[in-house]
Amino acid sequence: EAQVTQNPRYLITVTGKKLTVTCSQNMNHEYMSWYRQDPGLGLRQIYYSMNVEVTDKGDVPEGYKVSRKEKRNFPLILESPSPNQTSLYFCASSLLRVSDEQYFGPGTRLTVT
Amino acid sequence: DQQVKQNSPSLSVQEGRISILNCDYTNSMFDYFLWYKKYPAEGPTFLISISSIKDKNEDGRFTVFLNKSAKHLSLHIVPSQPGDSAVYFCAASSTLTGTASKLTFGTGTRLQVTL
Repeated sequence: EAQVTQNPRYLITVTGKKLTVTCSQNMNHEYMSWYRQDPGLGLRQIYYSMNVEVTDKGDVPEGYKVSRKEKRNFPLILESPSPNQTSLYFCASSLLRVSDEQYFGPGTRLTVT
Repeated sequence: DQQVKQNSPSLSVQEGRISILNCDYTNSMFDYFLWYKKYPAEGPTFLISISSIKDKNEDGRFTVFLNKSAKHLSLHIVPSQPGDSAVYFCAASSTLTGTASKLTFGTGTRLQVTL
């Protein structure tokens, strides 16, 4: 089954404790992206990757890192999480570019206390 | 600065009637627009898209209209069904510029289709 998987689905952590949210797709897609959803703000793009070893900032990259060492995986790293990073995070992938249909993962709800 | 705006946070429509969801944008470089639907506890799913070279795109019950001069697009759902109850996001991309890989979403409109 074609899908985007994210782990963990739920995470509660404390300020400053490094964490990684994994994202994997099995559709051989070139483009991958991370978004966060916050009430009243919709979805905002954090980082994206056009292909392996190519990543770039979205609209809200501060406090986040990503890597794309292989096509299927695109982990989101929070080196020192802060309470303002409490949010619902979505990973997505599409065949080649952002204007192609994006397939989203189920989301990761992160709480930073 | 919200470049893509959905000014109606919610909309309630009777089953069988038309649902019209609106979206406005401010960036004149946007040339590709998409609508995504989101159910609770799930990721968004793609619904329909339109390029700026068109003013209308249709897919079954869903039609998107684009008015470039007004920087406005709308999604029409006819007839509305209870399963259409979800949050709808419009999104925009500028495919010809250096930001061709970025996607800007609106804040979403929650549609409720009542029996």
